[in-house]
Order: sequence, then structure tokens, then C-alpha cells
Amino acid sequence: SQTIHQWPATLVQPVGSPLSLECTVEGTSNPNLYWYRQAAGRGLQLLFYSVGIGQISSEVPQNLSASRPQDRQFILSSKKLLLSDSGFYLCAWSRGGKDYGYTFGSGTRLTVV
Amino acid sequence: AQSVTQLDSHVSVSEGTPVLLRCNYSSSYSPSLFWYVQHPNKGLQLLLKYTSAATLVKGINGFEAEFKKSETSFHLTKPSAHMSDAAEYFCVVSYNTDKLIFGTGTRLQVFP
Repeated sequence: SQTIHQWPATLVQPVGSPLSLECTVEGTSNPNLYWYRQAAGRGLQLLFYSVGIGQISSEVPQNLSASRPQDRQFILSSKKLLLSDSGFYLCAWSRGGKDYGYTFGSGTRLTVV
Repeated sequence: AQSVTQLDSHVSVSEGTPVLLRCNYSSSYSPSLFWYVQHPNKGLQLLLKYTSAATLVKGINGFEAEFKKSETSFHLTKPSAHMSDAAEYFCVVSYNTDKLIFGTGTRLQVFP
């Protein structure tokens, strides 16, 4: 069966520090991968998605970047964190096509202080 | 524009009473519709999905939803609420691709 792992679960980082969040999927190949952010009291905002190694699409301009160095690995990064980067970050994967939906990771709570 | 609307941001019910969370989508040919649940500081879990088969869809934990094309609705129901149902619920739609469009969420509170 397919599983998705996301870490760390919580992270407290100072303003201006770098960020690296990692997400890996097991049990499938060539998944579509997604990074979402959920700010306090708000819905989900799609940040990045990827349909293959090295293929990254950005949905909104921001202080973050994403990379996909391997088929089942998706990394969210920042060189210098801002206070506004605080939030709950979710990784997800899908098979593609409109009928399958996404499977989400357990999320990372990032607090920038 | 294609969209999904959750009509209530908060719903409060007593334990043992029925739950109704409302969702409407913008009209389009053959949408796929999903309900996800999110407990605090957790990821989203799929409750159920409609993909053009039976219009009444049964999901996990006793939830079900009915696809009504004439009303462009996909409301989520449960006959009897349990304390563990307290969470955020998201109605989600996809049209021609795997891109999901999320509603803004409904927070369900369950009182003893």
C-alpha cells in the first residue's frame, strides 16, 4: 500500500533562518506531488506541484521554493524565513486524473519567531 | 470560474443528533467531489468521494453524501454525531484534471 511521510512534525525557526521540509512517498511510482500551506483560520493554499523529477510549478509568488530530486521525494525550502511563513504545511500525492483525490501527509507546524 | 462553496463556517450539534454540512459546486460536466476531514494539527483524511457512479456515497465513520446535479450540491450527513467527529471538514471538487479546488472548510463542534 502507498504511504506518505512528512517531517518534521513541528518546527520553530528564527526569522532569517533557512528552511527544509521533506516529504516522501512509498509504494507508488511517478506520483503527482503537492505542497500546501494552511494559515491559522484559513483554508488550504496550493504552493507548488510537481508531475515529475525536476518539474516544479509554483502557484503563488513567495519566499519559498520546492524541489523534486527523486521520483518520490519532494522538498520545500526557504533561504530566509519571514514571520509570514508561519503556518501548517501539508504535502500530498495523487495518481493523476480527476477521480482519485489526494493523500495527505500528517503536516508540519512551522512557527517563525 | 470553477469553485466550491461551503455554506457554513461553523456548525454545532449535540452528541447523538444528526449532522448536516452543506456544499455547493459551480456547475460543470462530470465533476468529481470529495469530503475530507482534518483533526487539529493533523493532515487531511478522505471521508468519501463521488466519481459519477452511485449518487449516494457512503464513507468512513458513518458519514454519507448525496450528489444532486439539479441543485449542484454535495451535502455531508451523519445520522448521529459522536464527540470524535469534532473537526474541520472540507468539500473539494475536481473537474478535468487532478487539480483539487478546496472549499473554505466547516468547523464542526459536538457538545455532550
